[in-house]
Amino acid sequence: GAVVSQHPSWVICKSGTSVKIECRSLDFQATTMFWYRQFPKQSLMLMATSNEGSKATYEQGVEKDKFLINHASLTLSTLTVTSAHPEDSSFYICSAQTGVRGNEQFFGPGTRLTVL
Amino acid sequence: GEDVEQSLFLSVREGDSSVINCTYTDSSSTYLYWYKQEPGAGLQLLTYIFSNMDMKQDQRLTVLLNKKDKHLSLRIADTQTGDSAIYFCAESSGGYNKLIFGAGTRLAVHP
Repeated sequence: GAVVSQHPSWVICKSGTSVKIECRSLDFQATTMFWYRQFPKQSLMLMATSNEGSKATYEQGVEKDKFLINHASLTLSTLTVTSAHPEDSSFYICSAQTGVRGNEQFFGPGTRLTVL
Repeated sequence: GEDVEQSLFLSVREGDSSVINCTYTDSSSTYLYWYKQEPGAGLQLLTYIFSNMDMKQDQRLTVLLNKKDKHLSLRIADTQTGDSAIYFCAESSGGYNKLIFGAGTRLAVHP
């Protein structure tokens, strides 16, 4: 139980285009979802926290107009990287929290974004 | 700001014990976690410890916490090839769900 999926698992896009990444909780309802970014050999950095039906809370230094987060249902959150540039290339990981089973976060497998 | 540090790589022989170390700076940390990441998979929570505990044991895993030195370790007894993965240390402060991660330690188990 407590499986989180991400789609796509990898994506390559041209500079200037927008890319949408989906995060789904498959067998539970997620009251809160988190989006992280991971650079090679570096730690996961929290980008934003989203609660179903409300606006996401972004961490300091993360551009909310650049990284659009939508959490429209209890099982789906999306991250859209708008007007992507090569420096946005990274590994994006989401996690979901049930609000029932304590504070444990269940992580998705990640999405590798490469911007050419 | 908060910071969590780990060594990047550890190599052990199959059957030996592995010890992965982590240091953190946030004195208000309430929970400390160890996650495992295998290729192509999401982070999996291995174990966690409350800041008021010194030790926690779960089968082959032993977590030691030295709160004074802000040092956390994960010991894996009888390390197997299936334990090869990246291990992340993370901490959070009570009342908020934000996790601060270390860079991860890649554990390689060889025959």
